[in-house]
Amino acid sequence: QVQLVESGGGVVQPGRSLRLSCAASGFTFSSYAIYWVRQAPGKGLEWVALISYDGKNQYYADSVRGRFSVSRDNSKSTLHLQMNSLRIEDTAVYYCARDGTLYSTFYYYIDVWGKGTTVTVSS
Amino acid sequence: DIVLTQSPDFQSVTPKEKVTITCRASQSIGSSLHWYQQKLDQSPKLLIKYASQSISGVPSRFSGSGSGTDFTLTIDSLEAEDAAAYYCHQSSSLPITFGQGTRLEIK
Repeated sequence: QVQLVESGGGVVQPGRSLRLSCAASGFTFSSYAIYWVRQAPGKGLEWVALISYDGKNQYYADSVRGRFSVSRDNSKSTLHLQMNSLRIEDTAVYYCARDGTLYSTFYYYIDVWGKGTTVTVSS
Repeated sequence: DIVLTQSPDFQSVTPKEKVTITCRASQSIGSSLHWYQQKLDQSPKLLIKYASQSISGVPSRFSGSGSGTDFTLTIDSLEAEDAAAYYCHQSSSLPITFGQGTRLEIK
């Protein structure tokens, strides 16, 4: 079945780096844009980043631009989120999620979500 | 940035009741508004896309309406399994934004 599985979360000190991964299965990964969306403990959903189906376009929230970088390897059906200069406020569950539109270079709606991986930034 | 404001923040409702959640955008977004349900300790699930388009596998008691700046998610005849947080999401322009969420408690 269509599935997204995140990994790479953990506890990290402020200022350090972490790399999240998202493994896709059950669909043609290279045909869909993918989001990263996060949720701080007890809070709502916050969009973090988006990468187009072909990897040529990336978009970032102001809160992470310049610190986070999204990339994808379509040959391995894998997405990555490189997170540098982490801050306390980056503590959250990070979801990767699929855009519901084929070959999207922009942003539409999210039709598949992973279960998330937890990132805790703490000294 | 487009701000999405949901109301209410919290509602306690009884089974079989009809529930209405509203989402107001700070500027017109056409029909680029989607709704998600998130049950406790689960990831979100798409309920409605483009304001009113139904999603395969989602019970027919969930419906959406609206355009421009005012949108509504309606749950007809609420069931116990509908206890969850509900979020609206706009894809009209960057940054992509979500409403703050509405938590439904079943009495």
